[in-house]
Amino acid sequence: DQQVKQNSPSLSVQEGRISILNCDYTNSMFDYFLWYKKYPAEGPTFLISISSIKDKNEDGRFTVFLNKSAKHLSLHIVPSQPGDSAVYFCAASGFKAAGNKLTFGGGTRVLVKP
Amino acid sequence: DAGVTQSPTHLIKTRGQHVTLRCSPISGHKSVSWYQQVLGQGPQFIFQYYEKEERGRGNFPDRFSARQFPNYSSELNVNALLLGDSALYLCASSGGSGMVKTQYFGPGTRLLVL
Repeated sequence: DQQVKQNSPSLSVQEGRISILNCDYTNSMFDYFLWYKKYPAEGPTFLISISSIKDKNEDGRFTVFLNKSAKHLSLHIVPSQPGDSAVYFCAASGFKAAGNKLTFGGGTRVLVKP
Repeated sequence: DAGVTQSPTHLIKTRGQHVTLRCSPISGHKSVSWYQQVLGQGPQFIFQYYEKEERGRGNFPDRFSARQFPNYSSELNVNALLLGDSALYLCASSGGSGMVKTQYFGPGTRLLVL
């Protein structure tokens, strides 16, 4: 039972344009959501998070949107840069859902073309 | 400031052997979690420790065990290794009380079981 899903395994975008990554979840007890970026041979790097009491959080080029009724979140990267090429994971947690463990989606590979 | 560190970086073992992986959290972080990432998937939760006590366990067999030391570092032990245990093992730490939810990952230990 996959509680967090990233339905797009890959995404290709031109440098300077917007990258939009999507993530869906099924467990309504999740109350905290995170995005991580991962380069090959490295651990995931934390990018941005959002609490379920908000519907938007912004940090520089990264914005995360949360739609609780649809159980959907998205990550917008504007403008996209070649260094953004990596695998992006969304993750969810919630103390009532499962302690503070993170439940990850399968990842979306992003390629930013110069 | 030093991030999460893990050792060793790479390891090759044969079936039936035992392995110990080590993790040092970010200074001041009291919670450590372990995740397994196989190729093409998101990380899967194995254990979480806070103040030397197990706070959560994922769906892994009893061959997997862990502990946390007074200095908050942690070990993950895997007995009777199987080929399917080949994966990237990630350690993550989070700060303050066990309720702080953002986890920061180390570079991982890549385990190959032959």
